[in-house]
Amino acid sequence: EAGVTQFPSHSVIEKGQTVTLRCDPISGHDNLYWYRRVMGKEIKFLLHFVKESKQDESGMPNNRFLAERTGGTYSTLKVQPAELEDSGVYFCASSYKGLLINEQFFGPGTRLTVL
Amino acid sequence: AQSVSQHNHHVILSEAASLELGCNYSYGGTVNLFWYVQYPGQHLQLLLKYFSGDPLVKGIKGFEAEFIKSKFSFNLRKPSVQWSDTAEYFCAVTYTNAGKSTFGDGTTLTVKP
Repeated sequence: EAGVTQFPSHSVIEKGQTVTLRCDPISGHDNLYWYRRVMGKEIKFLLHFVKESKQDESGMPNNRFLAERTGGTYSTLKVQPAELEDSGVYFCASSYKGLLINEQFFGPGTRLTVL
Repeated sequence: AQSVSQHNHHVILSEAASLELGCNYSYGGTVNLFWYVQYPGQHLQLLLKYFSGDPLVKGIKGFEAEFIKSKFSFNLRKPSVQWSDTAEYFCAVTYTNAGKSTFGDGTTLTVKP
């Protein structure tokens, strides 16, 4: 069974540019989460989808971040325009079903560097 | 706000030493607790989890953790570490019905051969 995949693995962009990160969850997983780790600090929650619906977006830093999950499969996280403080590692995770608490499987992360 | 505190940011041990990494979480009701590990260049992966039942849980690679509700703690232990345990360890808490996980800052473990 394929795990959670993320693309790209690394992205280096200049301040003011746009970047789109992609996450493909494990097939059949309803829940999809985005997290971010900035500069060796804690991994912070950004957003939670249940299928195509945003269940919780309380962690989204500001309106420069837009997450979508059309069709309830893969998700994209767009940062527009990117700022220096957006640099970090963006993790995606998925888990099996609905709002049941269960194990989240993490992707390898996308390392974003904003210059 | 919900928070998770890991007491040690960097731990250095010699092989065969015993390990205990502290984790405390803020009160927020019923919790589910996790320890994740990230080996150099690899994904975050689950070491062990506590949902209910026996508060002493055993995970992969000889790790175990004990949930002490009265202390809001979920410390990770291993009796004898190996060089291959060198990694970063994260404690995480999910509050029931919240979905999302709250993570600690992480502890980097370096095991000297």
